[in-house]
Amino acid sequence: GQNIDQPTEMTATEGAIVQINCTYQTSGFNGLFWYQQHAGEAPTFLSYNVLDGLEEKGRFSSFLSRSKGYSYLLLKELQMKDSASYLCAGTDSNYQLIWGAGTKLIIKP
Amino acid sequence: IAGITQAPTSQILAAGRRMTLRCTQDMRHNAMYWYRQDLGLGLRLIHYSNTAGTTGKGEVPDGYSVSRANTDDFPLTLASAVPSQTSVYFCASSDGQGVAEAFFGQGTRLTVV
Repeated sequence: GQNIDQPTEMTATEGAIVQINCTYQTSGFNGLFWYQQHAGEAPTFLSYNVLDGLEEKGRFSSFLSRSKGYSYLLLKELQMKDSASYLCAGTDSNYQLIWGAGTKLIIKP
Repeated sequence: IAGITQAPTSQILAAGRRMTLRCTQDMRHNAMYWYRQDLGLGLRLIHYSNTAGTTGKGEVPDGYSVSRANTDDFPLTLASAVPSQTSVYFCASSDGQGVAEAFFGQGTRLTVV
């Protein structure tokens, strides 16, 4: 079957670093997305990885290991506005997105 | 219109009634999608369209239908609403199927009573 697993909730402190993990099992694989979703709002795109390695975009970085079926999103210098849910989604062989349930990140002062 | 727009924003609907959720995009994206999002579950694909004139079934299509008469519009119809269809519905579009960034509408919060 196809499955995306990520932690339900994480808590971190303002100014710190947090890593949100995601493991995936998809029939075929055509890349992995990370989206951010603030409460009551629509998801917005953060990153897309299809090759192994780390992609850095400012305070946010995303890592992919295809052999391990594993990705993480790294958030540095956390700000209160980073409090949101972070959604991991894998693309299967039919180019359909399979979504995780999301990780709710709580930032404390 | 800028991006992707859904209407209505929220709706309370009596069970058994018919309802159409509207979705319009102005980015000329070929692919469009309807998802539902329920607490504790990931986004689940209801129906999709890879290009105008074609549609396909997603993970949870039962009780829903779609049409794609042109590039811009992708309405979702609930023929006879049931309480289990209470959810937040998101329409999305992308420039490429599955490997391009998806842009989401603001969502429709539907309550079936």
